[in-house]
Amino acid sequence: EPEVTQTPSHQVTQMGQEVILRCVPISNHLYFYWYRQILGQKVEFLVSFYNNEISEKSEIFDDQFSVERPDGSNFTLKIRSTKLEDSAMYFCASTRDTGSYGYTFGSGTRLTVV
Amino acid sequence: AQSVTQLDSQVPVFEEAPVELRCNYSSSVSVYLFWYVQYPNQGLQLLLKYLSGSTLVKGINGFEAEFNKSQTSFHLRKPSVHISDTAEYFCAVSTGFQKLVFGTGTRLLVSP
Repeated sequence: EPEVTQTPSHQVTQMGQEVILRCVPISNHLYFYWYRQILGQKVEFLVSFYNNEISEKSEIFDDQFSVERPDGSNFTLKIRSTKLEDSAMYFCASTRDTGSYGYTFGSGTRLTVV
Repeated sequence: AQSVTQLDSQVPVFEEAPVELRCNYSSSVSVYLFWYVQYPNQGLQLLLKYLSGSTLVKGINGFEAEFNKSQTSFHLRKPSVHISDTAEYFCAVSTGFQKLVFGTGTRLLVSP
């Protein structure tokens, strides 16, 4: 079964540093998403991406965050200057169309900011 | 805007007993409904989804859920749980290609 692949599985970074989280969505999917889950809390929507542009973003997704699909296969989330409160599990997801087939999530990247 | 309520933060149950995890949603438009499971230190795995048609949806690992439009509910059930079902269960809604909105999750604790 096709998978959404996320790398790295765990990243530790110092506060103020830039991080890039990488995702390879399923190849025929068109809609891409980032979610995050702070330890012990619910999964929260960050951003959706379609046709090479952001279609929706949450209040969490401020100017420190950006997304990109640089080469037609990878989908990246960049945090420019990490804060301690950015420590969370970040999930990438993709879907083929308007949700009819459900969303496929990656296994996540655990980001630890120290 | 859509919202999801999972009233039970934790549900303890003995092995082989039946279980129901409750989910209620709020939306002014038609929704798709999902249940995801998260095992410790793992990602989100789709258990089942309701898109249209039969209101009783069967998923993986023996789980099923029933969509009740009048009560705006999508409760998850399993007739006999196993120790291995211990996990966090999230109910979610979507109106299409837009974002998933998750509930706060219910931790299912199965003991022998």
